[in-house]
Amino acid sequence: GAVVSQHPSWVICKSGTSVKIECRSLDFQATTMFWYRQFPKQSLMLMATSNEGSKATYEQGVEKDKFLINHASLTLSTLTVTSAHPEDSSFYICSAREGSPYEQYFGPGTRLTVT
Amino acid sequence: SQKIEQNSEALNIQEGKTATLTCNYTNYSPAYLQWYRQDPGRGPVFLLLIRENEKEKRKERLKVTFDTTLKQSLFHITASQPADSATYLCAWRGYGNKLVFGAGTILRVKS
Repeated sequence: GAVVSQHPSWVICKSGTSVKIECRSLDFQATTMFWYRQFPKQSLMLMATSNEGSKATYEQGVEKDKFLINHASLTLSTLTVTSAHPEDSSFYICSAREGSPYEQYFGPGTRLTVT
Repeated sequence: SQKIEQNSEALNIQEGKTATLTCNYTNYSPAYLQWYRQDPGRGPVFLLLIRENEKEKRKERLKVTFDTTLKQSLFHITASQPADSATYLCAWRGYGNKLVFGAGTILRVKS
């Protein structure tokens, strides 16, 4: 149980285009979802937290107009990187929590490369 | 600011030995710490959680300790195997109930 999926697993896009990444909780209802970014040889950095039906809360320094998050249902959250630039190239990982603060499950990640 | 530090960037050990990874925290007293495994190109996988009132927690070949006096958690893998090679992350739930990760320690087990 407690499986989180992401799609796509990797994507290459041209600078200036937008990319959407999906995150799904497959066997539980995620009241809260999180989006992280991880650069090579660095740890996961939280970008934003979203609760179903509410606007996402972004961490300091994360541009909310650039990284659009939609948590429309209890099993799906999407991250859209708008007007992507090469510096947005990174490993994006979503995470979902059902209710207990102790149990937070991570997706397999999406490798974004902006050329 | 709240900080969580993992002392070693990388740890190389021989198969069969015990690997010990360290996690230190400052400016906060977490109610619990979590340990995750991350393989290259993959998301973290939860391994163990230890609460502040628990001195030790075990799961198969894994053991975690929590010393609130030293503000430190140790993560042990006994009888290590090459398949244990991965990055291990410690994490705590800090301000705002957000999971904060250490930088991770790369473990390499050589046969």
